[in-house]
Amino acid sequence: EAGVAQSPRYKIIEKRQSVAFWCNPISGHATLYWYQQILGQGPKLLIQFQNNGVVDDSQLPKDRFSAERLKGVDSTLKIQPAKLEDSAVYLCASSLLAGASSYNSPLHFGNGTRLTVT
Amino acid sequence: AQSVAQPEDQVNVAEGNPLTVKCTYSVSGNPYLFWYVQYPNRGLQFLLKYITGDNLVKGSYGFEAEFNKSQTSFHLKKPSALVSDSALYFCAVSPLYSSASKIIFGSGTRLSIRP
Repeated sequence: EAGVAQSPRYKIIEKRQSVAFWCNPISGHATLYWYQQILGQGPKLLIQFQNNGVVDDSQLPKDRFSAERLKGVDSTLKIQPAKLEDSAVYLCASSLLAGASSYNSPLHFGNGTRLTVT
Repeated sequence: AQSVAQPEDQVNVAEGNPLTVKCTYSVSGNPYLFWYVQYPNRGLQFLLKYITGDNLVKGSYGFEAEFNKSQTSFHLKKPSALVSDSALYFCAVSPLYSSASKIIFGSGTRLSIRP
């Protein structure tokens, strides 16, 4: 099966600019996640979708970050305006199951987008 | 609050020797536990998971992990290390106390296997 696709692979922007990341999950996967991975740390959940609805966005900085998952498939994550501390790898992941079963379902990760904010 | 600890930033092992990467957790109730591996410039790849049942779980690439409820640990092991095992390893836990459950990752352990 095709894996989780993410683009772009790398992005360099100046602070206060905006940026968008795109993710295409594995076909048929109900749950989609966006994680932020700062260098030297484990991934931190930003937002979780089940189909096209938001399940958890408690750690998403909503004043500058937004995300959507149209038609329950592809997803985009946007940062506007970017700050220096947003420099990180942004990982998209998907899992087959939905609801409570999603929590014991392995995550399938894309290769991530490395964002550098200067 | 739920948490996952990987006490070693780096583990160095000679090829052919056994390896252990440590993980402890703190959650309410019974957790789901996972190990993931990350190679340079790649996303995380699933290795194995513990849901219930046998405390020794076998996974990909010859890895296994032992769940110890009394010590709240889930250490990753392999009997004989390969140079190709060198990577970043993450332990993760999914607590099951409510619908707000989510997967929490540790900070990672860099495994270095010398020839």
